Amino acid sequence: NAGVTQTPKFQVLKTGQSMTLQCAQDMNHNSMYWYRQDPGMGLRLIYYSASEGTTDKGEVPNGYNVSRLNKREFSLRLESAAPSQTSVYFCASGTSGEETQYFGPGTRLLVL
Amino acid sequence: EDQVTQSPEALRLQEGESSSLNCSYTVSGLRGLFWYRQDPGKGPEFLFTLYSAGEEKEKERLKATLTKKESFLHITAPKPEDSATYLCAVQAGSNDYKLSFGAGTTVTVRA
Repeated sequence: NAGVTQTPKFQVLKTGQSMTLQCAQDMNHNSMYWYRQDPGMGLRLIYYSASEGTTDKGEVPNGYNVSRLNKREFSLRLESAAPSQTSVYFCASGTSGEETQYFGPGTRLLVL
Repeated sequence: EDQVTQSPEALRLQEGESSSLNCSYTVSGLRGLFWYRQDPGKGPEFLFTLYSAGEEKEKERLKATLTKKESFLHITAPKPEDSATYLCAVQAGSNDYKLSFGAGTTVTVRA
């Protein structure tokens, strides 16, 4: 039982490049979330998916898109990376009704 | 808008020196208040959920309490392995289980 896994662990991009961050969970959770974490600002929600087939914007969605590929997988795409998107990205999952979210190890992204 | 404020930002303790971390919150209809531990370079690790004022939960040297406006995380006789950043988050009653996080308190325990 791996929990929540994320790939890649670390990525360097040039401004304007695109990339997709991958997330998968093996806990049969309905809900999945993408957060970014910046120094002094705490975790901020980018997008979430309350169930397979649905996605909704969070607090800071601009510049990102998401895909809930199936119940296990939730990807985050940066179409044209900007230096302001340099951050650590965390994926989380949870079961509706239990409320607790479980986090992956994170992807560290540097945009030059 | 839900707001979560944690204090202090950083806390340096001597091994065995007990202390408390504060999480004050403003939320419309609290569903739950969550505490997480985060080690450097890792994802947050779930510690506790508190649901109503007066509730307390314990795990080893950690004890979390909840009032109508704030939560405290008490660390009793800390050890160096308790060094981490502790995150507080709230979940409102009608927002699809989204969490609003505070910025965290970084605790350093010296031997």
